Formats: sequence, C-alpha cells, structure tokens
Amino acid sequence: DTEVTQTPKHLVMGMTNKKSLKCEQHMGHRAMYWYKQKAKKPPELMFVYSYEKLSINESVPSRFSPECPNSSLLNLHLHALQPEDSALYLCASSTLNTEAFFGQGTRLTVV
Amino acid sequence: EDQVTQSPEALRLQEGESSSLNCSYTVSGLRGLFWYRQDPGKGPEFLFTLYSAGEEKEKERLKATLTKKESFLHITAPKPEDSATYLCAILGRSQGNLIFGKGTKLSVKP
Repeated sequence: DTEVTQTPKHLVMGMTNKKSLKCEQHMGHRAMYWYKQKAKKPPELMFVYSYEKLSINESVPSRFSPECPNSSLLNLHLHALQPEDSALYLCASSTLNTEAFFGQGTRLTVV
Repeated sequence: EDQVTQSPEALRLQEGESSSLNCSYTVSGLRGLFWYRQDPGKGPEFLFTLYSAGEEKEKERLKATLTKKESFLHITAPKPEDSATYLCAILGRSQGNLIFGKGTKLSVKP
C-alpha cells in the first residue's frame, strides 16, 4: 500500500478563519512533507518532519503551522491566510533518502 | 547548487508517435533521480527511481534511463491517457529534500 490520504479534498476559507489540513500514511515512513503547488508550477517545499521532529522549514510565514502528532499523521494549521495562499497543498511521505509518495492534495481557496 | 532542467516545456504527440522527455541535472552527489506523473488538480504519482548512470526502468509504455548528466523518459506508442505533466526530481547528498524540475506537459491526441 503506497497510499497517502489527505483531507479535506477541497477547502474554502475566509481570511479570518482557522482551519486544518490533515494527512495520514501507514507505510511506516519516518519522513513527512508539506508542499504548496501553484498552477503550472512544480511543488514547492514548505516543511519536512523527520522522526516526528521538524527538520526543515523553508521560511514559511507563521500563518502556516505544521504539527506531527505521531509517525503516521501530519497536520497543517492555517490561520489568517491571504488570497495569494490559495493553492494545492500536498502531503508526502518517504523513508529517508528515497522516493516520496504524494497524497491527492487539498485544493485551498482563500476568499 | 543542485538544479534540474526539463525540456521541452510542452510536447504534443499523435497517438502512437513515440518520443522522449529530457531531464538535465547538476548535483553534488546524486542519491536518486525520480520521475513522477501529475494529472491536473491531483498529487504527483510516483513512476521510477534511478540511482546510478546506466540504470534503466520500464513500466508499460514508459522507460526511464539515466546518465551522469541527464535522464530520459521514453514514451513508446503513447495513448491519450498518457497525457499529463511529467515531473523529474533529484535528491542530492547535500539536500534533505527533492529538487523538482518545472515539468513537461505531454498531450497525446487520438
């Protein structure tokens, strides 16, 4: 099973809302990632968790807050987003230094 | 600096017309090169991992090859359902994460 599950699939939120994106994998992977992807662009790395600890934060604004409750779950908490944050948010997981498997993404629209 | 360049940006083929996509890279120590397929609005789907020059992998109509400077994704007798964006990514020894190219958008017309 190479499945990474993301919920919700679609999310519309106002600029004053607080929402969370969720990601789950059961492949035993110890590295998990959040990416942001704009239309016609490649995925852009936001955060990396390795063994449930944040190892890379690519200078992401504090209105995005990641959380890794355990080795199977990854959350991205959203607060006070801007319309330019509208994008496809992708979760991925991997064993260290190998291919990453991606979820189907959450299409986020900020209004 | 680790870098990935994909060409062409877009490729239009007729059904059955074989072709190749290119991924050129510079990296200080390659851990792996990866090919993904991405359909609009969906997450990238893993296709292949290549680790060393001379390595080849095949899956249905797709074949990926690797040299010390580039990788090719060969598509033999493509079908309309092969239409997608194909992404190439590398993992270098100095990086802890994938470096993606900008992708090649493939359109296959019946």
